[in-house]
Amino acid sequence: SSELTQDPAVSVALGQTVRITCQGDGLRSYYASWYQQKPGQAPVLVIYGKNNRPSGIPDRFSGSNSGNTASLIITGAQAEDGADYYCHSRDSSGSHWVFGGGTKLTVL
Amino acid sequence: QVQLQESGPGLVKPSQTLSLTCTVSGDSISSGTYYWTWIRQHPGKGLEWIGYIFYTGSTYYNPSLKSRLTISVDTSKNQFSLKLSSVTAADTAVYYCARMRMITPSEWFDPWGQGTLVTVSS
Repeated sequence: SSELTQDPAVSVALGQTVRITCQGDGLRSYYASWYQQKPGQAPVLVIYGKNNRPSGIPDRFSGSNSGNTASLIITGAQAEDGADYYCHSRDSSGSHWVFGGGTKLTVL
Repeated sequence: QVQLQESGPGLVKPSQTLSLTCTVSGDSISSGTYYWTWIRQHPGKGLEWIGYIFYTGSTYYNPSLKSRLTISVDTSKNQFSLKLSSVTAADTAVYYCARMRMITPSEWFDPWGQGTLVTVSS
């Protein structure tokens, strides 16, 4: 089991906004980072820190944080955004690194 | 452009040692800015953090793997390696190496290697 909890699956209509959440006590002290993974490919960093995007990541991706919950927000979802999304941060002790179980995003 | 590439046997027998190497190009492991990390993904499952090494040789391991795990670094070759002993079928996974940046309270992995599938089977 993971100390970061994600919904297993989320769907969004094309062009609409979707929020993918990640919950865990470690998030009260550490920011989450978010990764997009498409089938057969390595994960790709999409959000890190308070709300930072690496070079090359579209600005429709953003992040927010509140209490023990981190969110990845996709504003105006595109077909190519359909993928698995994983959050990463520290566990509740703050001593170890953990990933959430992943959320499969379907763009309808 | 920084690139990481995993290499090693794709098939390991049960009870033997799994050995992988990650070769880094476009950055120096000795820069002292990053932590060099191993992550794995069991087939059809989520991601599991294995451990990291700093260029000085300082390591930190996932407690669930610590007794079987060794991560080492060769700065002259700009490589770091993973050895996991006494493997079982439960260690069958895609193994990724990644560069980790820690600026507390922010930490992230970027970039990742393409990953290499290691199957434990007789």
